Amino acid sequence: EVQLVESGGGLVKPGGSLRLSCAASGFTFSSHSMNWVRQAPGKGLEWVSSISSGSGGYIYYAESLKGRFTISRDNAKSSLYLQMNSLRAEDTAVYYCVRGEGDILNWFDSWGQGTLVTVSS
Amino acid sequence: DIVLTQSPDSLAVSLGERATIKCKSSQSVFYTSNSRNYLAWYQQKPGQPPRLLIYWASTRESGVPDRFSGSGSGTDFTLTISSLQPEDVAVYYCQQYYSTLSTFGPGTKLEIK
Repeated sequence: EVQLVESGGGLVKPGGSLRLSCAASGFTFSSHSMNWVRQAPGKGLEWVSSISSGSGGYIYYAESLKGRFTISRDNAKSSLYLQMNSLRAEDTAVYYCVRGEGDILNWFDSWGQGTLVTVSS
Repeated sequence: DIVLTQSPDSLAVSLGERATIKCKSSQSVFYTSNSRNYLAWYQQKPGQPPRLLIYWASTRESGVPDRFSGSGSGTDFTLTISSLQPEDVAVYYCQQYYSTLSTFGPGTKLEIK
């Protein structure tokens, strides 16, 4: 069974940083592209970032992030990460770790339960 | 970015009746090289993460009831629930993966009439 478990969320002040982690199990982690998708309270889904399978040589970010976030993966640990810097109130959301199916152009076939990030003073 | 719009924003359908949700893309998401539409549909129930229903615009994910179907091509797509069940109450989203910068539609809230 595919499992994706996010951690690292919490309350952070504007301008602060957080690092989200996602522990994956139940599948060959290195064979799948991985993604972060977020959902602000009461709002819709927003794709954040994608990293390709294997060594993760292809990385993409939503333009709205303007270089503040960095996605990475550690295949030896079956883990996905999201380093978030210069956080703003509008980054407040549940962040989902999502497995991609297909190549880098992928649909999202398995989702974690999410971790809540709250940016507030 | 490719912008997806959905209609309606919300709808109420009687149990056993058909529900139809539309998704329109600002540009075609059809790749001629493989004749595929890079569009997926998701269902999200309150307090839960989204669940994949449909990919390639019309391919049902394993385990998804066959009352769910997807259709369309190019810029116009439809998710149809043929006979609404109580457990289908949810918000439904379309997603395009034609671009490396994926985007979602704003969602359609489906309720029981």
